[in-house]
Amino acid sequence: EADIYQTPRYLVIGTGKKITLECSQTMGHDKMYWYQQDPGMELHLIHYSYGVNSTEKGDLSSESTVSRIRTEHFPLTLESARPSHTSQYLCASRPRRGEAFFGQGTRLTVV
Amino acid sequence: QQQVKQSPQSLIVQKGGISIINCAYENTAFDYFPWYQQFPGKGPALLIAIRPDVSEKKEGRFTISFNKSAKQFSLHIMDSQPGDSATYFCAATQEAGNTPLVFGKGTRLSVIA
Repeated sequence: EADIYQTPRYLVIGTGKKITLECSQTMGHDKMYWYQQDPGMELHLIHYSYGVNSTEKGDLSSESTVSRIRTEHFPLTLESARPSHTSQYLCASRPRRGEAFFGQGTRLTVV
Repeated sequence: QQQVKQSPQSLIVQKGGISIINCAYENTAFDYFPWYQQFPGKGPALLIAIRPDVSEKKEGRFTISFNKSAKQFSLHIMDSQPGDSATYFCAATQEAGNTPLVFGKGTRLSVIA
């Protein structure tokens, strides 16, 4: 069982609201990732980090921001939620070598 | 250079049959090739992974075949079971450095009795 946690699991929010999706891991992994995924569909990389104070943009980063102040914590913020943001958001972490561990995901609905 | 192409998009297999999913990559610097399995409502979980120093890796009913010269790798599920019905993603990365995992678009497998 992977020690990576995402909160909340489900979120319904109004258009224009600012939201932060939380992701924490207790494995001491340097690398962390955020992916957006519609159910059963492909994974789109939003942001990633390879250590404290490092963040990089992925393919879908333009409407969100991340921070990596502590190794274990990698929150994702949407400054102004829109219905097009309705999706599942998956956080993952990896050690320097080896497998990535995924959280259970946050299912976001913007109304 | 960063793409991983996965096929087929969906697959229906009879119980007891062999499921085969193929992936091709472009970046010759990639040196770690995992397969992930995802059930509805869950995050992907590692199924099996291979590095280019071997051409095949087997774990139970799951086998990865790797062809470095062709830049292709495939997942074989022997004796497929209804419980194997899930979405499967191949991925690739260069482990040294900070290249993120690059995922294929996924294959939705249905194993029917």
